[in-house]
Amino acid sequence: GAGVSQSPRYKVTKRGQDVALRCDPISGHVSLYWYRQALGQGPEFLTYFNYEAQQDKSGLPNDRFSAERPEGSISTLTIQRTEQRDSAMYRCASSLGGRGTEAFFGQGTRLTVV
Amino acid sequence: DAKTTQPNSMESNEEEPVHLPCNHSTISGTDYIHWYRQLPSQGPEYVIHGLTSNVNNRMASLAIAEDRKSSTLILHRATLRDAAVYYCILMGYGGATNKLIFGTGTLLAVQP
Repeated sequence: GAGVSQSPRYKVTKRGQDVALRCDPISGHVSLYWYRQALGQGPEFLTYFNYEAQQDKSGLPNDRFSAERPEGSISTLTIQRTEQRDSAMYRCASSLGGRGTEAFFGQGTRLTVV
Repeated sequence: DAKTTQPNSMESNEEEPVHLPCNHSTISGTDYIHWYRQLPSQGPEYVIHGLTSNVNNRMASLAIAEDRKSSTLILHRATLRDAAVYYCILMGYGGATNKLIFGTGTLLAVQP
C-alpha cells in the first residue's frame, strides 16, 4: 500500500473485553514497531519485529498485552481484559530495517475503554 | 538505551532560522542520530538522520558535533507549519537496540 495502514481508526470497548488492533505496514518493510501515546505525551515504545521475529517486547506494560506478526507482514496488537488505563492512541510504524533507515507511521488507532 | 536531552520548548519567528539542540553524551560509536517531529493531531514524521557528518535534505539540516556528544537540527526558514514537537533519538546497532525510543522532545512554537 501507499503507507502504513492501521485499523480500526477508532475503537470503543467495554472494560474487560479483548481488543485486537491491526497494522498493515508498507510492502517490503522489514521492521515494524508498536507505540502507545497518551494525550500530551510522546510515543511510548511497546514492541518491535524484524520480519516475523519479535525482537524486543520490553515496552509491553503487562501480560495482557501481546503482539504477533506471523508472516512478517501484517501485525496484530492484542489487549486482553481491557482496563480504562489502556485508553490511548496506539501507533504502528514500519521501516526497511537497520539503524540508518526512516520509519513511517500510520494514523493510529484511538482506543477508548469505558 | 542511550539517552538524549532536549529543551522542553523553544520559540521562533516565522521565516527565521531555528536551531534545535540535542545532547547525547553517552552516544556509542555505532549509534545513528535521528530526528522526528510530530505535528498536532498527527503521527510522528521523519525529518533527518546522520552518523558523523553533517546532513542536509529538503526539510532541514543536521549538524553533528565532532565528538558526536551533541547535535543540532536546523530549520532554515521556519514556517507556521513547522510548529511541532521535535524528537532527537539515538538508534543503535543490532537486535534490542535497533529501535526508536522517543523522549519528551522540544515543543517548537512559531510566531507569525
